Amino acid sequence: GAVVSQHPSWVICKSGTSVKIECRSLDFQATTMFWYRQFPKQSLMLMATSNEGSKATYEQGVEKDKFLINHASLTLSTLTVTSAHPEDSSFYICSAREEMYRVAQQETQYFGPGTRLLVL
Amino acid sequence: SQQGEEDPQALSIQEGENATMNCSYKTSINNLQWYRQNSGRGLVHLILIRSNEREKHSGRLRVTLDTSKKSSSLLITASRAADTASYFCATDALRSNDYKLSFGAGTTVTVRA
Repeated sequence: GAVVSQHPSWVICKSGTSVKIECRSLDFQATTMFWYRQFPKQSLMLMATSNEGSKATYEQGVEKDKFLINHASLTLSTLTVTSAHPEDSSFYICSAREEMYRVAQQETQYFGPGTRLLVL
Repeated sequence: SQQGEEDPQALSIQEGENATMNCSYKTSINNLQWYRQNSGRGLVHLILIRSNEREKHSGRLRVTLDTSKKSSSLLITASRAADTASYFCATDALRSNDYKLSFGAGTTVTVRA
């Protein structure tokens, strides 16, 4: 089955620093990747949709200058949390969708294992 | 924004019993999916039901979809301790010219041995 990896799996950083999280589709090409944030005991909230070769689309209320997304290839998207603060501490999860997913009727998104960020 | 609402929020059952959880949503959907999440881990896709389907089975899982009521249910039969997890419904719908998933609040299921 399709596998999505995330790196790192957890990170602790000081307030004010920037953190980069990588999301890779290992055995398929993903024209679209999604970034979600999940606070403890809450649901996943979509932050942004990342399309290969174009600018990411951010959900309402998500600061694009704070959460920089780059989708430079069909297998890699990165999320950079700039000038992180304690309130950015959360579980960040990416997912990837196969190219031609509608033609293949494969609407399932494949989720990465998540990255836990703790900002001190 | 969240589209799906789930109930109950939490469910505790004895091993061997069935677990049922419900999901309601507000707008038209392309399909509805159910995911499982073990504590602190990523999501595992369980089952997808399309908007033109009414019921679907996969092993011990049974999902129903009622588009007229905008609701879905997930039934886990003969539960096991390993089924202890949070379960989320997610609706796949067109938003801003693309199909995106919106997740419900989730149901935390505890299966007692």
